[in-house]
Amino acid sequence: NAGVTQTPKFRVLKTGQSMTLLCAQDMNHEYMYWYRQDPGMGLRLIHYSVGEGTTAKGEVPDGYNVSRLKKQNFLLGLESAAPSQTSVYFCASNERLAGGPFLWFGPGTRLTVT
Amino acid sequence: TQLLEQSPQFLSIQEGENLTVYCNSSSVFSSLQWYRQEPGEGPVLLVTVVTGGEVKKLKRLTFQFGDARKDSSLHITAAQPGDTGLYLCAGERPGGSEKLVFGKGTKLTVNP
Repeated sequence: NAGVTQTPKFRVLKTGQSMTLLCAQDMNHEYMYWYRQDPGMGLRLIHYSVGEGTTAKGEVPDGYNVSRLKKQNFLLGLESAAPSQTSVYFCASNERLAGGPFLWFGPGTRLTVT
Repeated sequence: TQLLEQSPQFLSIQEGENLTVYCNSSSVFSSLQWYRQEPGEGPVLLVTVVTGGEVKKLKRLTFQFGDARKDSSLHITAAQPGDTGLYLCAGERPGGSEKLVFGKGTKLTVNP
């Protein structure tokens, strides 16, 4: 199993440009998440999905859209990038175990918006 | 409002020393997890604690869940340079919302 993969690993955008981050998992997990990580802010939930065809807003959803057309993929879109969206983005999937959630994280995408 | 407060924010110690990091909240959690994140990588789950008062050990790491399920601690015995990283706690709110709340993390540096 590859686990959770993210593409691209790095990206530089200019203000106003758009892009899509792709997350893929091969573990058949129902739940998937997009987080952003900023210095001193910890991990903040952007959007999440509880299954194919479903999405929901997290803590900081403004400026982002998501889609979950296939169970194994969760896409994060930035329609008009802003410098405030410079961050490291992590995707995760959730293997629900008897003892609680078990989040598997991808390696991250480092995005810089100039 | 930060639901999970971690302390200290930064910790730099010498190899062989012991340390404890804390994760505190005024809210009750169904479970609490600890992750470790190394530079340039995603967080990796270390342990999940579910029962109030529960203690779990992972080699030199000891995790404890508070009796009231509002706080947790991570104790490392005889720290090694390989323990260096960002330690994150995350809480699952009651009701099975499947949305974890993360603390801001403790950045640990163990110097040889």
